[in-house]
Amino acid sequence: EAQVTQNPRYLITVTGKKLTVTCSQNMNHEYMSWYRQDPGLGLRQIYYSMNVEVTDKGDVPEGYKVSRKEKRNFPLILESPSPNQTSLYFCATKRGETQYFGPGTRLLVL
Amino acid sequence: QKEVEQNSGPLSVPEGAIASLNCTYSDRVSQSFFWYRQYSGKSPELIMSIYSNGDKEDGRFTAQLNKASQYVSLLIRDSQPSDSATYLCAVTSGGGYSTLTFGKGTMLLVSP
Repeated sequence: EAQVTQNPRYLITVTGKKLTVTCSQNMNHEYMSWYRQDPGLGLRQIYYSMNVEVTDKGDVPEGYKVSRKEKRNFPLILESPSPNQTSLYFCATKRGETQYFGPGTRLLVL
Repeated sequence: QKEVEQNSGPLSVPEGAIASLNCTYSDRVSQSFFWYRQYSGKSPELIMSIYSNGDKEDGRFTAQLNKASQYVSLLIRDSQPSDSATYLCAVTSGGGYSTLTFGKGTMLLVSP
């Protein structure tokens, strides 16, 4: 089954404690991206990657890092999380014009 | 800054009625337009795409695009309670790697 997976699905952490949210896809898509979704602000792109070793900033990259060492994985790294990074995070892949979203990761930073 | 505007709603319609969802966008070079449906706590799923002026129909859904007015809409005929969700309009300037810009979504409530 074609899918995008994210782990963990739920995470509660404290300010400053580094964390990584993993994203993996089995569709062999070149394009992957990360979004955050907040009430009243909608979906906003954090980072995207057009292929292995190629990443670029989206609209809200501050406080986040990404890497793309292999095609199937695109982890999102929060080096020093802060409460304003509490959000619902979605990983997505794209083939042509169609985006496929992962199930989401709900993050709470205390 | 590209902007995609939608009424936040909620838009309330009775079961069996036509629901009309609207979206305007600011970037005149936008080429591709999408409607995503998102149930509460779930990820967005693509329901319609439209690329040229006019109407595109798929089952109970019709997308309408007017590039001159920078306006795209989604009509849902014979609305069902299961259609209750947030509908996200998304726009891109085209090309396989172009960024998708989302509106904030319109919540639709279909009452039995």
